[in-house]
Amino acid sequence: GENVEQHPSTLSVQEGDSAVIKCTYSDSASNYFPWYKQELGKRPQLIIDIRSNVGEKKDQRIAVTLNKTAKHFSLHITETQPEDSAVYFCAASIKGGQNFVFGPGTRLSVLP
Amino acid sequence: GAVVSQHPSRVICKSGTSVKIECRSLDFQATTMFWYRQFPKQSLMLMATSNEGSKATYEQGVEKDKFLINHASLTLSTLTVTSAHPEDSSFYICSARDGQPQHFGDGTRLSIL
Repeated sequence: GENVEQHPSTLSVQEGDSAVIKCTYSDSASNYFPWYKQELGKRPQLIIDIRSNVGEKKDQRIAVTLNKTAKHFSLHITETQPEDSAVYFCAASIKGGQNFVFGPGTRLSVLP
Repeated sequence: GAVVSQHPSRVICKSGTSVKIECRSLDFQATTMFWYRQFPKQSLMLMATSNEGSKATYEQGVEKDKFLINHASLTLSTLTVTSAHPEDSSFYICSARDGQPQHFGDGTRLSIL
């Protein structure tokens, strides 16, 4: 079955710096890759997603890149702000896109 | 955007009690709903997938007699934790989809004393 790895598990950056979180997946059939942000005790919220026919997608300070050949995708956050502090989960679709396998998460701390 | 409502947000009850959690899609019809469990500082672990009008599909290791799922309509799924014990204490989150992506409820923090 699909296996999603995510690194690093924790990440601390200074406000204004960039943050990069990387994920790898194992199932070449996966074709949809969302990223979720979860604040403590709250619901995961979709922040950006990418499909396998696209190599990069950007939304303001957030971008995602996908390398299908290498089976890895990354989240890039530029000009980080304290409110970006949260746990970020990557995910890869399985079962024809019906569901996802989530990565273990990255706890991002943006220091003022 | 799509809204998923989950209720209750917090439950504290005695061991042996059965607890029902509701998950509703408020502004869309969800062809599929999912139930996840999340332990502190860990990722989301899929428990089961439910499609309206059919039996839920449970992930390996999840007891279907313990975690009863009913998906009675395209906007409502319920998870009942039967005869709950302290080890069932956790954060339970539902999600719903009609296409991509999944939209999550606010979660239910279940504490069994």
